[in-house]
Amino acid sequence: LAKTTQPISMDSYEGQEVNITCSHNNIATNDYITWYQQFPSQGPRFIIQGYKTKVTNEVASLFIPADRKSSTLSLPRVSLSDTAVYYCLVGDFNDMRFGAGTRLTVKP
Amino acid sequence: EAQVTQNPRYLITVTGKKLTVTCSQNMNHEYMSWYRQDPGLGLRQIYYSMNVEVTDKGDVPEGYKVSRKEKRNFPLILESPSPNQTSLYFCASSYRTGEQFFGPGTRLTVL
Repeated sequence: LAKTTQPISMDSYEGQEVNITCSHNNIATNDYITWYQQFPSQGPRFIIQGYKTKVTNEVASLFIPADRKSSTLSLPRVSLSDTAVYYCLVGDFNDMRFGAGTRLTVKP
Repeated sequence: EAQVTQNPRYLITVTGKKLTVTCSQNMNHEYMSWYRQDPGLGLRQIYYSMNVEVTDKGDVPEGYKVSRKEKRNFPLILESPSPNQTSLYFCASSYRTGEQFFGPGTRLTVL
């Protein structure tokens, strides 16, 4: 079961790019890397998922190096509404575990 | 609209009074799961189901039961609730390895 390590918190300002890195040294061959966003008292919301290299969608990019032992979620031009907790999950669909997440605070 | 629904959204009950939290999804997902979220402990998986009649324990299954008689429904049963089960509960569904869709949450208080 791959364990993940993320920073506990990060601060940013509106309009900046934010990069949140997740470490997962014992990731298995079959494991996917998935990121979720959660606002207070709401269920987590899927942001992006990847297996290797780079994945981009309309809200974020996910960078995964060749050894897959880490990954970086990139949020372009954040706004105040991006203040939330961000979770990195690693695993197959039946053994994904939520860690403590990274609390991102975006300031004006 | 594709969604996961949970009922009730809020519940206050007393120790020992059996209760059921319902979860339903309309996306034909095989995989469903239940989580609880407590301050400082993050989201912890209680039970999950890979398909109808297939359920398995997550990280914190003690004190809970589930059933999966139909693909769309995955109720969470607390046979004898205790105060340490006071928590925020989320149901989720997904295709295999796909994104999980979460319900709006059920805030349970056991007195």
